[in-house]
Amino acid sequence: DVKVTQSSRYLVKRTGEKVFLECVQDMDHENMFWYRQDPGLGLRLIYFSYDVKMKEKGDIPEGYSVSREKKERFSLILESASTNQTSMYLCASSYLGEQYFGPGTRLTVT
Amino acid sequence: GENVEQHPSTLSVQEGDSAVIKCTYSDSASNYFPWYKQELGKRPQLIIDIRSNVGEKKDQRIAVTLNKTAKHFSLHITETQPEDSAVYFCAASQGGGSNYKLTFGKGTLLTVNP
Repeated sequence: DVKVTQSSRYLVKRTGEKVFLECVQDMDHENMFWYRQDPGLGLRLIYFSYDVKMKEKGDIPEGYSVSREKKERFSLILESASTNQTSMYLCASSYLGEQYFGPGTRLTVT
Repeated sequence: GENVEQHPSTLSVQEGDSAVIKCTYSDSASNYFPWYKQELGKRPQLIIDIRSNVGEKKDQRIAVTLNKTAKHFSLHITETQPEDSAVYFCAASQGGGSNYKLTFGKGTLLTVNP
């Protein structure tokens, strides 16, 4: 059974703080993704990675960066959190197209 | 880039009725079309997918149809049950290689009334 875990289910941070969201998968998948989910906007891709140390921008990369030092771990970084980054963040890994999602992190920036 | 439009945004049906959700895509190079179901408070999960060399695929009460010429695909749920209530997302991808980057529609909230 594929397992994708995220470091926190709920997170509250202050404006201007640096925020790290971590995602770990245990199936040796090459592809990993970070999305944010907002009501009425669906799932929007922030960044993805198809190999260690490789990353590509998704549709809404502004204000975010990522790190993938090991195959199983993909981190999303908010360099200076802002209130408009309050959202649900979902990580996924994929094999042959099917994406396996983590449980999500609900981030609130105050 | 790819753009996926999904309709309707909300759908309410009576238990036992059928439900149809439609999506259109813009990139004719897309060749992989999955559907995800997200129950309240849970993570999205793949329920069915179709590739461009197939026109229709069925799995028990759910089916997906694809019209590549018109660039649209649809999810059909027959004999709906209350546990089908969820948000459904369609997606499109060029697939292949090592990427499989998905572009998602905005979702359809399906409510099945007992």
